[in-house]
Amino acid sequence: NAGVMQNPRHLVRRRGQEARLRCSPMKGHSHVYWYRQLPEEGLKFMVYLQKENIIDESGMPKERFSAEFPKEGPSILRIQQVVRGDSAAYFCASSLLLTDTQYFGPGTRLTVL
Amino acid sequence: ELKVEQNPLFLSMQEGKNYTIYCNYSTTSDRLYWYRQDPGKSLESLFVLLSNGAVKQEGRLMASLDTKARLSTLHITAAVHDLSATYFCAVDTRDAGGTSYGKLTFGQGTILTVHP
Repeated sequence: NAGVMQNPRHLVRRRGQEARLRCSPMKGHSHVYWYRQLPEEGLKFMVYLQKENIIDESGMPKERFSAEFPKEGPSILRIQQVVRGDSAAYFCASSLLLTDTQYFGPGTRLTVL
Repeated sequence: ELKVEQNPLFLSMQEGKNYTIYCNYSTTSDRLYWYRQDPGKSLESLFVLLSNGAVKQEGRLMASLDTKARLSTLHITAAVHDLSATYFCAVDTRDAGGTSYGKLTFGQGTILTVHP
C-alpha cells in the first residue's frame, strides 16, 4: 500500500507566479489535511478536506490560497501570486477516518525567489 | 485557542543517557500524537495516545499521557545516535461536544542530538 504521495517534491517560483501542489492520499483514505512548516518551526494546520468538500479551512490565508479535493484525482493546494513569505515546506496528510492517525507525505518544498 | 508547548526545544544528549521531553497543552483533548522528523524529511508517526494514563513503548522510546494534567512525556532510554531527529507532539482539536475537527495542533518541536 503506497503511502501519501506529493508532487513536486521541490518547487521554485518567482514572485507573482502560481504554485500548484498535489497530494494523493493513501489508498482508501478520504480525509486529507494540508499543513505548512516554516523554517525552524512546527507544522501549522491549513485546511481539511474530504472528497469534493472543504470541511475546515480555518488555517488558510484568506487571499491567494485555495484547496480542492475533487471526486477524481489528487488534492490540490494552489497559491496564486506567490510572495517570498510563502517559502516553506507544505505537507499533506491523510487518514482513513476522521479520528485516525494522520499519515504524512514527503512534503513539497516551495522556494519563492 | 489550543496551545501546545514542548520543552526543551533543544536537547543534546550523550549516548547511553536517559532523558524526557515534555508536551503541555492548554485545552481538553484525549488524543495525542508523537511524530519524528529527520532533516529534510516528512513526519513519521511514533505513538498515538488515546486515553488518560495511556503508556506506549517502542524500543528506546516510551510515551505517556496524563489528560488531567494536560501533559504528555516522551522518555528516551539509553540514547543512541540513530535517535537524533526532531520530535513533535500534536494534539487533536475537539469542540465542546467532543467532536474532532480533524486538525492537529503541533508543538514547536524538540531537536534531539545524541553525541557519542
